[in-house]
Amino acid sequence: DVKVTQSSRYLVKRTGEKVFLECVQDMDHENMFWYRQDPGLGLRLIYFSYDVKMKEKGDIPEGYSVSREKKERFSLILESASTNQTSMYLCASSTRTGRETQYFGPGTRLLVL
Amino acid sequence: AQKVTQAQTEISVVEKEDVTLDCVYETRDTTYYLFWYKQPPSGELVFLIRRNSFDEQNEISGRYSWNFQKSTSSFNFTITASQVVDSAVYFCALSGPSNFGNEKLTFGTGTRLTIIP
Repeated sequence: DVKVTQSSRYLVKRTGEKVFLECVQDMDHENMFWYRQDPGLGLRLIYFSYDVKMKEKGDIPEGYSVSREKKERFSLILESASTNQTSMYLCASSTRTGRETQYFGPGTRLLVL
Repeated sequence: AQKVTQAQTEISVVEKEDVTLDCVYETRDTTYYLFWYKQPPSGELVFLIRRNSFDEQNEISGRYSWNFQKSTSSFNFTITASQVVDSAVYFCALSGPSNFGNEKLTFGTGTRLTIIP
């Protein structure tokens, strides 16, 4: 079974803090994704990566950066957290081609105070 | 641009009733893939089905069935004899051809299904 894990289920941070969200997958998938989920908006793509050290902006990259130093790990970084980044963050991975299924982690619910 | 519309925000049905979740999509691609995911209260999205644009056959998996109609750009999901464990948020999603930059999924806003015991 594919397993995607995220470092925290719940996180509380203060405005202006630097926040790291970690995602690890154990299926040797090439692609990894970060989404945020907000009520009424569904899932929106923040960034994705199709290879180590490669990244592509998604639909809402502003205020975020990412890092992929190893194939299995994809980090989402909030350089200076703001209250409007309070959300549920979901990581996913898939094999190379776009037609393949994305497998999701359990999500991190982030609260920025 | 791709778009997925799930017009039903919330649905409540009594246990054992059948329920259909609607999904309408927009794309200019001739090759695309449609997905349904389930998000139970625990939060993790669970993959249910993937369909490619060349396969319009309906699919049945136990109490779940999917109706794909290209003519109406719809990919509806029916749960037969619903159970309380079916309570979740359900997302329909669309992906494009397999090129770099097109691997992403476009999600609908989700339908929250509540099964009343």
